[in-house]
Amino acid sequence: NAGVTQTPKFRVLKTGQSMTLLCAQDMNHEYMYWYRQDPGMGLRLIHYSVGEGTTAKGEVPDGYNVSRLKKQNFLLGLESAAPSQTSVYFCASSQWDLTYNEQFFGPGTRLTVL
Amino acid sequence: KQEVTQIPAALSVPEGENLVLNCSFTDSAIYNLQWFRQDPGKGLTSLLLIQSSQREQTSGRLNASLDKSSGRSTLYIAASQPGDSATYLCAVTARDDKIIFGKGTRLHILP
Repeated sequence: NAGVTQTPKFRVLKTGQSMTLLCAQDMNHEYMYWYRQDPGMGLRLIHYSVGEGTTAKGEVPDGYNVSRLKKQNFLLGLESAAPSQTSVYFCASSQWDLTYNEQFFGPGTRLTVL
Repeated sequence: KQEVTQIPAALSVPEGENLVLNCSFTDSAIYNLQWFRQDPGKGLTSLLLIQSSQREQTSGRLNASLDKSSGRSTLYIAASQPGDSATYLCAVTARDDKIIFGKGTRLHILP
């Protein structure tokens, strides 16, 4: 049982390049989330999904797109990277139960945009 | 808009002491509150989750309380150890399904 895994662990991009971050979970969770963590800003929700084929905007969705084609995978895309997107990105998942949606986090992806 | 605040931002205490970390939130209409631990360069590890109908949860040396009416939660750590050094974050699940995090308290236990 690997829990939540993220690929890649590190990445350096040039401004304008695109990339996709992959999150996978093997706990059969319905809910999945993408966050970014920046010094002094804490964790902020980018997008989330309440089930296969669904996505919704979080607090800071601009510049990102997501897809949830399979229940176990949640992809975060950057179409045209900007230096402001330099951050650590975390994926999380939880059961479909809002009163007890304990979140499980992946190890993070450290992204630098030059 | 729900806001979550954690004070202090950093705390240093000698090993063996009991300590309390604070978390406050502005809107009491929450589904639950969760405490996490984050080690440097790592992801978040869930410590305790308190449902909105509960007052406290315990796990080993950790005890978390929730007072929805006052918008406050505390994480009590008994007999602190150097291995407890980490950043502790709290997060609430709001009624619009959004999960809002505080900025964390960086805890350092002095050997």
